[in-house]
Amino acid sequence: SAVISQKPSRDICQRGTSLTIQCQVDSQVTMMFWYRQQPGQSLTLIATANQGSEATYESGFVIDKFPISRPNLTFSTLTVSNMSPEDSSIYLCSVEIPQRYSGANVLTFGAGSRLTVL
Amino acid sequence: TQLLEQSPQFLSIQEGENLTVYCNSSSVFSSLQWYRQEPGEGPVLLVTVVTGGEVKKLKRLTFQFGDARKDSSLHITAAQPGDTGLYLCAVGYSGGYQKVTFGTGTKLQVIP
Repeated sequence: SAVISQKPSRDICQRGTSLTIQCQVDSQVTMMFWYRQQPGQSLTLIATANQGSEATYESGFVIDKFPISRPNLTFSTLTVSNMSPEDSSIYLCSVEIPQRYSGANVLTFGAGSRLTVL
Repeated sequence: TQLLEQSPQFLSIQEGENLTVYCNSSSVFSSLQWYRQEPGEGPVLLVTVVTGGEVKKLKRLTFQFGDARKDSSLHITAAQPGDTGLYLCAVGYSGGYQKVTFGTGTKLQVIP
């Protein structure tokens, strides 16, 4: 399966600033997914990043707040803009892997980027 | 409303005890996945169940998919401290682009 590297692994940020999270995959993939995990919560999909087109955002997430880049098939960035304490979360990058016996696509994840906004 | 409801939300048990985690929905799914997330890491896939009534075993973990493919359970026998983590059920759809949706999660702590 793919190996995903994310950085930074953690950061402490000031209110009103922006932070860009990088996600590098060791193989070419069509789609990359960005998830948010708020403290003590499950995972919520922010957006799907396709190479060569604009990201597709889920309900409740907008491009102005979470701009995404996807310059090639192995790399993506997620920016958290104009941060507030409510943005304190773990942000996770993932890619899907076809699973032949089930016909389903399953996900493999990076270790995540833990953001604390003061 | 959540597509996938897990119970219990939190579970703290002693080493050696057994436990069951449930994942319930009103929708029917073609397959269901279970992930485990340890602190400081991303979720890792444990198993995918596909057939209604299917039972899969992974060492001390037993996964079952409901007959109607609306629910699933995870049973851990003789829990170990290494089982500590967040357990997540998830669903996606076969073929092409799919959006994997995660359950509400069950946080398990196994005390030595």
